[in-house]
Amino acid sequence: QVQLVESGGGAVQPGRSLTLSCAASGFKFYTYSMNWVRQAPGKGLEWVALVSLDGNNKYYADSVKGRFSISRDNSKNTLFLHMNSLRAEDTAIYYCVRFGYCTGGVCYRAFDYWGQGTLVTVSS
Amino acid sequence: QSALTQPASVSGSLGQSITISCTGTNSDIGSYNYVSWYQQHPGKAPQLMIYDVSTRPSGVSDRFSGSKSGNTASLTISGLQAEDEADYFCNSYTSSSSYVFGTGTKVTVL
Repeated sequence: QVQLVESGGGAVQPGRSLTLSCAASGFKFYTYSMNWVRQAPGKGLEWVALVSLDGNNKYYADSVKGRFSISRDNSKNTLFLHMNSLRAEDTAIYYCVRFGYCTGGVCYRAFDYWGQGTLVTVSS
Repeated sequence: QSALTQPASVSGSLGQSITISCTGTNSDIGSYNYVSWYQQHPGKAPQLMIYDVSTRPSGVSDRFSGSKSGNTASLTISGLQAEDEADYFCNSYTSSSSYVFGTGTKVTVL
């Protein structure tokens, strides 16, 4: 079955960097675009970034553009989020999310499988 | 990329129907039929409930339905059950090639 397991979260000081990883299994990783979505404690969901299935196209929320970088290693079925210049408002659970609900040979724009998330806390 | 607007809370009695609205702009909901809805129980990851405005993924109860008019999308839950008590989030593709979630709605079953 599809599994997405995030790691790399933790406590970090403002201005520092952190890299999150997501290990994917149970599906052909290289055939799906992937995302990071975050949720501040007690708050709503915020889409962070998307990377295309081949890693060549990347899209970001305005709130992280220029500071965060999404990437993937299809040979290792792993998604990454490199976070620089971290701010207190980046404190959140970060979810690794598969993109594309596929049925009948067609894939639709939807976030269909979510990991359990990894918590990032930015505080001095 | 402002969040889509949802009511903070909606409540209904067992067996009743409720509707959650999700209001965006001409740059997101108004221009694309790429609206999806997610259910999130406390401490759990979100789950896809509706995609492409009104289509249910396999395994999602037919008590959940979606629609759209202009810049506003809606999720209706009919025959409300105790297990429907959760947070619900809408999402839309935008003209900036990005995605935006709604502010979220807490559904309470009375």
